[in-house]
Amino acid sequence: GESVGLHLPTLSVQEGDNSIINCAYSNSASDYFIWYKQESGKGPQFIIDIRSNMDKRQGQRVTVLLNKTVKHLSLQIAATQPGDSAVYFCAENYFGAGNMLTFGGGTRLMVKP
Amino acid sequence: GAVVSQHPSRVICKSGTSVKIECRSLDFQATTMFWYRQFPKQSLMLMATSNEGSKATYEQGVEKDKFLINHASLTLSTLTVTSAHPEDSSFYICSAPGDGGRIVETQYFGPGTRLLVL
Repeated sequence: GESVGLHLPTLSVQEGDNSIINCAYSNSASDYFIWYKQESGKGPQFIIDIRSNMDKRQGQRVTVLLNKTVKHLSLQIAATQPGDSAVYFCAENYFGAGNMLTFGGGTRLMVKP
Repeated sequence: GAVVSQHPSRVICKSGTSVKIECRSLDFQATTMFWYRQFPKQSLMLMATSNEGSKATYEQGVEKDKFLINHASLTLSTLTVTSAHPEDSSFYICSAPGDGGRIVETQYFGPGTRLLVL
C-alpha cells in the first residue's frame, strides 16, 4: 500500500484568488502554533504564529485560524501571488516539551498565473 | 531578524565516509539548537536537540553513534553523519530559538544542507 507522507497534498489556485491551507494537529495541550513556508531547497521560513488562547490572528495578506475543539489550524492567503508557491507546514509547540516543534505533513501550494 | 547559517549547503560523498555539517547562529546566542531531517516530499522530522555544554538529546529511532552532535559554543552546533550510506541521503536542517535558548517561541531555521551519499 501507499506509505503515508510520500505525496504532499497539492492546492492549485489561480493568481489573485484566496488560498486556504488546512492542518490537523495532534496534541490538544499544544500552546503555540506556527505556519512555515518552504521553497524548494531552502529551510522553512516563518509566516505567522498564534497562541492557543487565540482563535484568529492576521498578518499582511495572511490569516491564521485556530479551532481547538477539533484541533484544526488553517492558513488563509489573500490575493495569492506566484511568489506564494511553496510547501506550507504547520507546526505545534508544547511548552512543556521546551522548544521542540512538531511539524505537520505539509501542503504544496501552486499558483497559476 | 535572527539568522542561522549552515555549511555546507550541498555535499556529495562516498558511502562509508563521514560528513560534518555546521549550524551557526550569526547574531544571537543559542544554548539549544535542533537538527531535523527531511526526505523528499515529506515533512521535517526532529532528529535531536543539541545542548551547549551537555549531551544532545536524540529522538526515538535516531542512532546517536551514527549522528554525532557537538554543541561547541553558544553559536555553533555540528552534526556529523558517520559512515554515511545512501539511505542517509537527505536534507538536513537546523534551527535555533531566537532568544538564547530560553523557552521562547520563535525558531529560526538554517537554509539546509543537501547530503547525497553515493
